[in-house]
Amino acid sequence: KAGVTQTPRYLIKTRGQQVTLSCSPISGHRSVSWYQQTPGQGLQFLFEYFSETQRNKGNFPGRFSGRQFSNSRSEMNVSTLELGDSALYLCASSLYSGEQFFGPGTRLTVL
Amino acid sequence: KQEVTQIPAALSVPEGENLVLNCSFTDSAIYNLQWFRQDPGKGLTSLLLIQSSQREQTSGRLNASLDKSSGRSTLYIAASQPGDSATYLCAGAPRRAGGTSYGKLTFGQGTILTVHP
Repeated sequence: KAGVTQTPRYLIKTRGQQVTLSCSPISGHRSVSWYQQTPGQGLQFLFEYFSETQRNKGNFPGRFSGRQFSNSRSEMNVSTLELGDSALYLCASSLYSGEQFFGPGTRLTVL
Repeated sequence: KQEVTQIPAALSVPEGENLVLNCSFTDSAIYNLQWFRQDPGKGLTSLLLIQSSQREQTSGRLNASLDKSSGRSTLYIAASQPGDSATYLCAGAPRRAGGTSYGKLTFGQGTILTVHP
C-alpha cells in the first residue's frame, strides 16, 4: 500500500508570492490534516479535512487555506508569503481520524 | 487548550540500555495518544497508537503506556540500538462526538535521542 505522498518536496519562493502544496493520502483514507514544523514553534496544526469539508482549523492567519477534492487529495495554499512561513509542511492521512500517517513533507524556503 | 510536554529534551545513552521517554498533557479529555519518530529532515513515522479504551501498546522493543487520570504517557525502549537515534514525539488527539478523535494532533517538542555504539 502506497504511503502519503507530498509534492513538491522542495520549494523556494520570494516574499509576497503565493504557493500551493499537494498531498495525496493513503488509498481509502478520508481525513487529511496539515501541519507546519519550524525549529522555534515545533509542529503546529493547520487544518483538517474530511470528505471535502474542513472539520478543524488551527490558529493561523487567513493567508493559509486549504481544500480537499472528492478523491481525498488535498491542497494547501499560502498567499502573500512572509519570511516566517519558511518551514517543513507535513500532511497526514487517517481512516476516520484514528492513527495518523505522515508524508515526507514539503520544505518551503521564503527568501 | 491542550499542552503537551516531553521530558527530557535530549538523551544520550550507550547501546544496549533500556530507556524511558516521558510525555505529559494538560487536558485529560484526550482521545488518542500517538508516538512518532522523526529522522532529521524527514517526515514522521508512527510508532504506537494508544486509543481511548487502552492503557498500553507494544511493538517489538517499544512499549507505550497511557494514564489519562495523571495526564501522562511513557515510551519504553528496550535494548537501545544506534538505529534508534532520532527525535521522538508524542501527540494527543481530542475526542469528538461519535467517539472518534479529531485529526488534530497537539505535539510535544520532542526528545532527541542519541544512542552511542
